Amino acid sequence: GIQVEQSPPDLILQEGANSTLRCNFSDSVNNLQWFHQNPWGQLINLFYIPSGTKQNGRLSATTVATERYSLLYISSSQTTDSGVYFCAVPSLFGNEKLTFGTGTRLTIIP
Amino acid sequence: EPEVTQTPSHQVTQMGQEVILRCVPISNHLYFYWYRQILGQKVEFLVSFYNNEISEKSEIFDDQFSVERPDGSNFTLKIRSTKLEDSAMYFCASSLLAGGGTGELFFGEGSRLTVL
Repeated sequence: GIQVEQSPPDLILQEGANSTLRCNFSDSVNNLQWFHQNPWGQLINLFYIPSGTKQNGRLSATTVATERYSLLYISSSQTTDSGVYFCAVPSLFGNEKLTFGTGTRLTIIP
Repeated sequence: EPEVTQTPSHQVTQMGQEVILRCVPISNHLYFYWYRQILGQKVEFLVSFYNNEISEKSEIFDDQFSVERPDGSNFTLKIRSTKLEDSAMYFCASSLLAGGGTGELFFGEGSRLTVL
């Protein structure tokens, strides 16, 4: 099955800093999603981004499907951005099952 | 905005007891899923459900697990005889289209199961 690796595994930043999280995947995909898992364990949909770039407030994401990676940008970080960020892609092209990445744990210090 | 809702948010049970986790998917969605996350680990696929039957299941989804859509709105996960290793956060998800092909999955907030 597809392999999904995220980097860095851990990131600690001061409030106000910008960050870039990376998701690499081992095979072609036609679906990619980014999620934020908050400290209470809830999974929040951030982006559905099989290709191209999307922006939502301080967050934006870019997927370059041909090069098998996606980036999540967080600007002007706030303490509420803390948590684990996951990307997820189909386990097989066209398959409905998502394989989640290993996650990036982001900690924003006031 | 439509959302997937799950109940209970947290359940504590004794080993060997049966547990039912409930989900109300987004109303016009056609595909339903359960995922699991053991504390500190990745989110893992358990099962997908379409047209009133299981369309795919993982090796985790053994005979102690079952899913059901008892009416037009609920989607349930039953664990027949819970084990300590079933302690995890269970997420329900739904999509309008097949998630891996073309559809976006929307996740509920999770049900945390603790088996003592």
